[in-house]
Amino acid sequence: EVQLVESGGGLVQPGGSLRLSCAASGFTFSSYWMSWVRQAPGKGLEWVANIKQDGSEKYYVDSVKGRFTISRDNAKNSLYLQMNSLRAEDTAVYYCANQEGLRGGAFDIWGQGTMVTVSS
Amino acid sequence: AIRMTQSPSSFSASTGDRVTITCRASQGISSYLAWYQQKPGKAPKLLIYAASTLQSGVPSRFSGSGSGTDFTLTISCLQSEDFATYYCQQYYSYPQTFGQGTKLEIK
Repeated sequence: EVQLVESGGGLVQPGGSLRLSCAASGFTFSSYWMSWVRQAPGKGLEWVANIKQDGSEKYYVDSVKGRFTISRDNAKNSLYLQMNSLRAEDTAVYYCANQEGLRGGAFDIWGQGTMVTVSS
Repeated sequence: AIRMTQSPSSFSASTGDRVTITCRASQGISSYLAWYQQKPGKAPKLLIYAASTLQSGVPSRFSGSGSGTDFTLTISCLQSEDFATYYCQQYYSYPQTFGQGTKLEIK
């Protein structure tokens, strides 16, 4: 079965850190660009970051640059998001998703999401 | 960043209706556009990519069209399971951006 399973979410104080993980199965993980997409409570979708198949290219939305780091381990079929200096506005459900196509296209497979709450 | 604007933001329709949702990009994005369906508490589901290519397993009542800056998602005959929120997304340039969403409710 093709699936993505996120973990690592939780409650963290402002200024704190969290590391999200995403475990892939049922497809050739190393062949795909991978992304993190988030959704604040009651709001729309926001792309956060993505990473090329071999990890050589990474892109971020401006609001997380310098605070979040995306990485992957193709040997473990896993995607990660290290989140530092967390702010209240980072509170959201975080989804990992793969991207169809060679240059990182539409988000094809999605995980179930993991909730991150930043609050004192 | 490219701004994606959907219209309407919400509307009501009945089962069997034909509905169209519009997405406009603030600059040309060729055909690098996708449509997603999201139901409450669930992850989004890819419906259409490359503006008009139906994702495998998606019913043929869904269709997409457009290129450049103006795009549409059409549902030819609404079914009960189609009441959800729909998002467009451009992947032409970074940051990849989504529209604000269109909530389709039962009349």
